[in-house]
Amino acid sequence: GQNIDQPTEMTATEGAIVQINCTYQTSGFNGLFWYQQHAGEAPTFLSYNVLDGLEEKGRFSSFLSRSKGYSYLLLKELQMKDSASYLCAVRGQGGATNKLIFGTGTLLAVQP
Amino acid sequence: DVKVTQSSRYLVKRTGEKVFLECVQDMDHENMFWYRQDPGLGLRLIYFSYDVKMKEKGDIPEGYSVSREKKERFSLILESASTNQTSMYLCASSLWSRGRNTAGENTDTQYFGPGTRLTVL
Repeated sequence: GQNIDQPTEMTATEGAIVQINCTYQTSGFNGLFWYQQHAGEAPTFLSYNVLDGLEEKGRFSSFLSRSKGYSYLLLKELQMKDSASYLCAVRGQGGATNKLIFGTGTLLAVQP
Repeated sequence: DVKVTQSSRYLVKRTGEKVFLECVQDMDHENMFWYRQDPGLGLRLIYFSYDVKMKEKGDIPEGYSVSREKKERFSLILESASTNQTSMYLCASSLWSRGRNTAGENTDTQYFGPGTRLTVL
């Protein structure tokens, strides 16, 4: 079967660093996405990894290890506005369209 | 900026009604998707379309149908609404599959609309 696992909830302190992990088991692998979703709003794209290694984009970085079926999203210098749900999604199969398989999301609470 | 809009933010319907949810994107994207999002279950794909008049079933198509008569518009239809279809419905679009566009952006990236929270009584 196809499965994406991420922690349900995490809590961190403003100004700190937090790492949100994602493990996946899918039939094939063609890229991993991270999305941010604030309560009541649509998911917004954060990052994309298709090769092993770290992709850095400002305060956010995303890491991928294809051999381990593992990714993490690293958020630095946390701000209160980073309180949101973070969704990991994998494009598992090839073909004409990019169907994504989503994890259930990690709800991050940033505290003062 | 990519813009994906949905016809309603909130909708209340009665059991048995036929319900239409509309989604429009203004970026000439090839692919469009309909998801529902429920607590503890995450985003689940209902249907998707990779071209006008083309559609494919996602993971949970039962009780739903779709229509894509124009490239920019993708409609989700609940033929006879039931209470278990109460959910948040999200539409998304992406340029095409694999590769990068002229701006270096990954063309697989899906862009989401604001969502429609549907309640079926």
